[in-house]
Amino acid sequence: GAVVSQHPSWVICKSGTSVKIECRSLDFQATTMFWYRQFPKQSLMLMATSNEGSKATYEQGVEKDKFLINHASLTLSTLTVTSAHPEDSSFYICSARDFTGMHEQFFGPGTRLTVL
Amino acid sequence: GEDVEQSLFLSVREGDSSVINCTYTDSSSTYLYWYKQEPGAGLQLLTYIFSNMDMKQDQRLTVLLNKKDKHLSLRIADTQTGDSAIYFCAPADGGATNKLIFGTGTLLAVQP
Repeated sequence: GAVVSQHPSWVICKSGTSVKIECRSLDFQATTMFWYRQFPKQSLMLMATSNEGSKATYEQGVEKDKFLINHASLTLSTLTVTSAHPEDSSFYICSARDFTGMHEQFFGPGTRLTVL
Repeated sequence: GEDVEQSLFLSVREGDSSVINCTYTDSSSTYLYWYKQEPGAGLQLLTYIFSNMDMKQDQRLTVLLNKKDKHLSLRIADTQTGDSAIYFCAPADGGATNKLIFGTGTLLAVQP
């Protein structure tokens, strides 16, 4: 149990375009989902926390107008990178925590974004 | 904010024990986690320890927690080549959302 999927697993786009990444909890309902960013050979940096049905809470330094997060249902959160630029190229990872209040976060496999 | 430090690299021989160390600054952390990341993949939860415990053993894994020194370690017994990966220490921040603050990661290389 406790499987989280991400789609797509990798994407290449042109500079200036927008890219949407989906994060789904497959076998549990996730009231809280987290979005992380990981640069090569570096650690994970939390970008934002999203709760189902409410606005996401962004970490300091993360542009909310650039990284749009929607958590419209208990099994789906989306991250849209708007007007992507080469410096947005990174590995984006989501995690989810179920509504029973269990403390564990279950991570998706990640999405590799390359902006040309 | 929380600062989490790990040594960057550890090399061991197959069959030996590996010890990965982590120091953190936020004393309010309630849960402290260890995650494993293989190249190009997501994170796999290995184990965790609650802050009122000193030690937790789970098969080949032993976690030690020294709250006074804010030091966490992960010992892997009988290390195998399949254990080669990056290991992240991640204390939760103790707040309502239980946010994870990831350490710098330790690359474990297991030599056959």
